[in-house]
Amino acid sequence: KNQVEQSPQSLIILEGKNCTLQCNYTVSPFSNLRWYKQDTGRGPVSLTIMTFSENTKSNGRYTATLDADTKQSSLHITASQLSDSASYICVVSADLLLGKLVFGTGTRLLVSP
Amino acid sequence: NAGVTQTPKFQVLKTGQSMTLQCAQDMNHNSMYWYRQDPGMGLRLIYYSASEGTTDKGEVPNGYNVSRLNKREFSLRLESAAPSQTSVYFCASNKSGRQPEQPQHFGDGTRLSIL
Repeated sequence: KNQVEQSPQSLIILEGKNCTLQCNYTVSPFSNLRWYKQDTGRGPVSLTIMTFSENTKSNGRYTATLDADTKQSSLHITASQLSDSASYICVVSADLLLGKLVFGTGTRLLVSP
Repeated sequence: NAGVTQTPKFQVLKTGQSMTLQCAQDMNHNSMYWYRQDPGMGLRLIYYSASEGTTDKGEVPNGYNVSRLNKREFSLRLESAAPSQTSVYFCASNKSGRQPEQPQHFGDGTRLSIL
């Protein structure tokens, strides 16, 4: 069964600190992996996309990694800001032709002042 | 650009009532999607429309119908609402579902409660 599991479920960090969110997937055939940020009361917004051949990709203070052999990805947030408080959702594209997506349940991050 | 616009933002229904959730995008996207988001679960696909004039069932289509009115608009209808349909509903669109590198753009959701 195609699944995406994220850890931790929730996380509280102090402003200015770094953190790393984890994503493990059992999705086949793999097309790509994307991290979305979802602010409270808003829809998800794409942060970064990783394809099979990519190991690392950065978007400002966000750095995503992908290990296609172990089927693991991580999202590292550097120098956290209050505006980083949100849910972070790992999404894997499972079907090249129809763009079907498998969503993780998300990690809820709270950045405390 | 407004992106993806969903109406209404909030709605309370009684069991057995019907209603239609509206979605419109102004990005000239071909593919549109309806999802539901429940606590402790990932987003689940209800229906999608790969292009104007076509619709297909997703993972959880029972109790719902959809209409791709034109390229911009994709509506979701609950014919006889049930408490199990209490959820947050998201509409999304992208240039083409056959190009997985294209991100899906989401609206801000409709929060629906069925009493």
